[in-house]
Amino acid sequence: EVQLVQSGAEVKKPGESLKISCKGSGYSFTTYWIGWVRQMPGKGLEWMGIIYPGDSDTRYSPSFQGQVTISADKATSTAYLRWSSLKASDTAMYYCARYALSYFDYWGQGTLVTVSS
Amino acid sequence: NFMLTQPHSVSESLGKTIVISCTRSSGSIATNYVQWYQQRPGSSPTTVIYEDSQRPSGVPDRFSGSIDSSSNSASLTISGLKTEDEADYYCQSYDNTNHGVFGGGTKLTVL
Repeated sequence: EVQLVQSGAEVKKPGESLKISCKGSGYSFTTYWIGWVRQMPGKGLEWMGIIYPGDSDTRYSPSFQGQVTISADKATSTAYLRWSSLKASDTAMYYCARYALSYFDYWGQGTLVTVSS
Repeated sequence: NFMLTQPHSVSESLGKTIVISCTRSSGSIATNYVQWYQQRPGSSPTTVIYEDSQRPSGVPDRFSGSIDSSSNSASLTISGLKTEDEADYYCQSYDNTNHGVFGGGTKLTVL
């Protein structure tokens, strides 16, 4: 059974760094892209970017390029989303999802990130 | 990059049929596949249609998808509406460099 299990909710202050995770199981982690999707409170889904764990090829949406870093660890079948300096506007639910060439077929349960002073 | 535009909300009665549109702003809708996701309150999205008109296993055949090149849009049709269909629906496509785009989402209310 394909599963994507994300790390737990985070509460951070502006300026702090953060790395959230998404652990895949039940499939070959290195042969599927993994993506990250943001959903701000009460808003729609936003495509952040995708990574191919097999060779770490990463594609960022222009809106998120330079704002976050997507990475993956083949050894632990885990993808990451990292911020170096959080802003209040980063408060959102973040989903990881497996990308099957054209669409997200399996989704994680989401990680709520709250940034507040 | 292009945008995908959806109606903000739609509503229809139990047992009826609803069509949700998704219009591509530039480039042909037929160039890259369109997907549809359902998101119920408090839950992660799930795929109801992929590659324009394909249904994942487990999705009832009341859900169907299509594209129309003349209007440069995709459509999600839900027939025999049930209360459990009440949710937000998002279309999604991508460009030729695998940069994805979501539509703004449509809130479906079943009356």
